[in-house]
Amino acid sequence: DAGVTQSPTHLIKTRGQHVTLRCSPISGHKSVSWYQQVLGQGPQFIFQYYEKEERGRGNFPDRFSARQFPNYSSELNVNALLLGDSALYLCASSSTTGRVVEQYFGPGTRLTVT
Amino acid sequence: AQSVTQLDSHVSVSEGTPVLLRCNYSSSYSPSLFWYVQHPNKGLQLLLKYTSAATLVKGINGFEAEFKKSETSFHLTKPSAHMSDAAEYFCVVSDSGGYNKLIFGAGTRLAVHP
Repeated sequence: DAGVTQSPTHLIKTRGQHVTLRCSPISGHKSVSWYQQVLGQGPQFIFQYYEKEERGRGNFPDRFSARQFPNYSSELNVNALLLGDSALYLCASSSTTGRVVEQYFGPGTRLTVT
Repeated sequence: AQSVTQLDSHVSVSEGTPVLLRCNYSSSYSPSLFWYVQHPNKGLQLLLKYTSAATLVKGINGFEAEFKKSETSFHLTKPSAHMSDAAEYFCVVSDSGGYNKLIFGAGTRLAVHP
């Protein structure tokens, strides 16, 4: 089975622009989470979706939004890009939610904002 | 609130010698703890997880970790380092909410020398 896939792999945007990142979970997984990893730091939680509903949101501004589709794939949208949004954006999928459930990560999308 | 502290930002060992990566956690209840590894330009891979069963947890690639409640620690060890173990390692705790938000430590970069 394929793992978690993300597209695009790399992206360069200009300040003020909008970006959409995409994620396809492992087949059968109904939960998708998004994390931001700034260079030299651990990943930080942005959103979690389960069965197309938002289950959790991290401490990120309203410029960040996401959604999950009926096939459980997900999009992360960031508006009005800032230089500080430059990071590796990671998507993780899991079969369900809950503290003990393992999450499987994709390779990430490297976003550079100039 | 849950948190993890990785006590070393960098660890350097010689090939064939033991590896010790230290992690302390803070949690108001019995935590779910994980170790993830991130190789350069790769996604995060789960090494092992603790979910209140056995306190000594065995993972992939010869790694293991011991949960010590009295010391609030979850250190990662491996008896003999291999060159391919060079990577960034993250200690992670799962949040107490109704979903599986992961809280990452800052990471420990492991270097393995011939």
